[in-house]
Parts: sequence; structure tokens; C-alpha cells
Amino acid sequence: QVQLVESGGGVVQPGRSLRLSCVASGSTFSNYAMHWVRQAPGKGLEWVAVTSYDGSTRDYTDSVKGRFTISRDNSKSTLYLQMNSLRAEDTATYYCARAGVGFGYYYYMDLWGKGTTVTVSS
Amino acid sequence: EIVLTQSPGTLSLSPGETATLSCRASQSVSSTYLAWYQQKPGQAPRLLIYGAASRATGIPDRFSGSGSGTDFTLTISRLEPEDFAVYYCQQYGSSPWTFGQGTKVEIK
Repeated sequence: QVQLVESGGGVVQPGRSLRLSCVASGSTFSNYAMHWVRQAPGKGLEWVAVTSYDGSTRDYTDSVKGRFTISRDNSKSTLYLQMNSLRAEDTATYYCARAGVGFGYYYYMDLWGKGTTVTVSS
Repeated sequence: EIVLTQSPGTLSLSPGETATLSCRASQSVSSTYLAWYQQKPGQAPRLLIYGAASRATGIPDRFSGSGSGTDFTLTISRLEPEDFAVYYCQQYGSSPWTFGQGTKVEIK
């Protein structure tokens, strides 16, 4: 069964760092671009970052540029989100999601993990 | 950045009725790059429609998408109890990928 499983969330103080992971199973992880999408409590979906299938291209929403880094290890079928200088407004459930077509970049998200929760609070 | 505005914010309907959800873009979106997702409480989003009108794998045919340019519609015919949820539109043709704010379909 194809699935994505996130981990690494937790409670962290403002200004500190956290690294999220997303492990893929049941499909060829290295063929697909991957995204992080977040959802603040009671709010809508917000795209955070994307990496191409080979990690050569990355992009971020403006509010996290310079603070968050998306990366992947295709040998471990794992996607990462390194989050530095965390702020209260980064509090959210973070989902990893797969691009819907192999080797593509601008595609819908056809497979989602269940999410991991990050709370930034003193 | 392409801003997507969904309406209405909440739709109150009874099972068996038809839901019509709107998504309007701040600039033209190629229909190739418009998707709809369903999200139930405590769950991850699920892809329903991509390319404005193509159903994702396993999605029942009571879900249909249409539209072009700046105006897109998701129609849910014959609402089933499991269809009551929040629905988001998304454009994925340019960065940043953006979502609408969501439409909640609730039981009347």
C-alpha cells in the first residue's frame, strides 16, 4: 500500500529549530516531486515548500524563505523539512504530499500523509 | 501570486441534494492546473478532481468539475452522508501553489 508517514512534530519554543520527516513506502519515491503543506488550527491549507524528484529544484512560500529548508534522501525514500527560527505563526499540522505525475513539478497532490503537528509556544 | 476565492463559505444541504461550489481566481488559470480536494475533520486532504474536470482514482462520478479561465465549479450530485466535509480548490500552474479558503458542506 502506497503511503506517506510524517514524524518529528512537537512543542518548541519560538526561535528554536525542528526537523520534520516524511517516509514514503509502496511507490518509487525518487520519481516524484514532493511538497510540504501546512494547516494552522481551524484554518485552511497553505503550501509551504516543494522539491523536484531529484532535489535539484526547490521553492518556498515567502513566509518561510530563509528559515525553512526542504530536502530529500531518495536512498531512504524520505523527505525532510528543516525549520529554523520558528515563530508562533508556524504552529500547524504539517502534511507531506506527492506530486501527481512522475518527474513533473507543476502538478496536483495525489497522495498525502496524515500529518504531524508543530506547536511553537513559550 | 494567484488568489483563489471560494464561495459560499458554508453550504447547508440535505442528503440527496446537489452541492455547487465556486472557485474564482484572481487571474486566469489554465484548466490543466486546477484541482479540488476534500477534507474531513482530523483527516488529511484527499484529491477529488485535477485538470479542472478529471476525477482522481476511486472518486465516484457524483463528483464533477468544470470551468475555465478564472471561474471553476465543483458539483456534488446526490449528496451522500460521507460527502459532508470541507472542500478546497487549488491552482498548481505557478508558484506559489495556492489554495482557496475552503467551502464547508454541512448537513441541513
